[in-house]
Amino acid sequence: QVQLQQWGAGLLKPSETLSLTCAVDGGSLRGYYWTWIRQPPGKGLEWIGEISPTGGTKYNLSLKSRVTISVDTSKTQFSLKLSSVTAADTAVYYCARNGLRDCVDWGQGTLVTVSS
Amino acid sequence: QSALTQPASVSGSPGQSITISCTGTSSDIGAYNYVSWYQQHPGKAPKLMIWDVTNWPPGISYRFSGSKSGNTASLTISGLQAEDEADYYCASYTSSDIYVFGTGTKVTVL
Repeated sequence: QVQLQQWGAGLLKPSETLSLTCAVDGGSLRGYYWTWIRQPPGKGLEWIGEISPTGGTKYNLSLKSRVTISVDTSKTQFSLKLSSVTAADTAVYYCARNGLRDCVDWGQGTLVTVSS
Repeated sequence: QSALTQPASVSGSPGQSITISCTGTSSDIGAYNYVSWYQQHPGKAPKLMIWDVTNWPPGISYRFSGSKSGNTASLTISGLQAEDEADYYCASYTSSDIYVFGTGTKVTVL
């Protein structure tokens, strides 16, 4: 089991870019898939996307035009960027390490609020 | 990709068994044995309870069990305990090569 520590700006204005980073403590990025998930206040989980050990990405079709997930192997970190945010993007964002086809280890979550 | 459908709430008394359903389509649950289940307590990150329909991660109680029939997956909690009160989410791999979560079910222990 690895520990995931995530951080990023918690308050954004509409049209700005959300940027979150997740650091892997006690492990390596190599050999694993890494995922971002979000949860609007009082609502359910939404899969945002994942990145493979070779850097390949898959994204939720509804967010694909605005999302970028990337990895910095030298820092054992991976990141999420979501452009042109609106109030609908207000949510707790989680990073996670994949098992086979599931999320085994989760970050603590970061609340991102979009408000003018 | 639409969210998988779960009942909004399920309740049971301590010691009883309850089952949460998760209904998808022939493009997700019906096509693959890649369904996972997560437990989420208020203010906490989700926790993996079942992977690939029926498998337990290390440390997860065998009171939690998973199954699948056609386009519907199910999570059964046996010997319900107060600590099982939480939100539960299913998730599935899809034919679009992405993943989708369920709508979530609130479990109440009476």
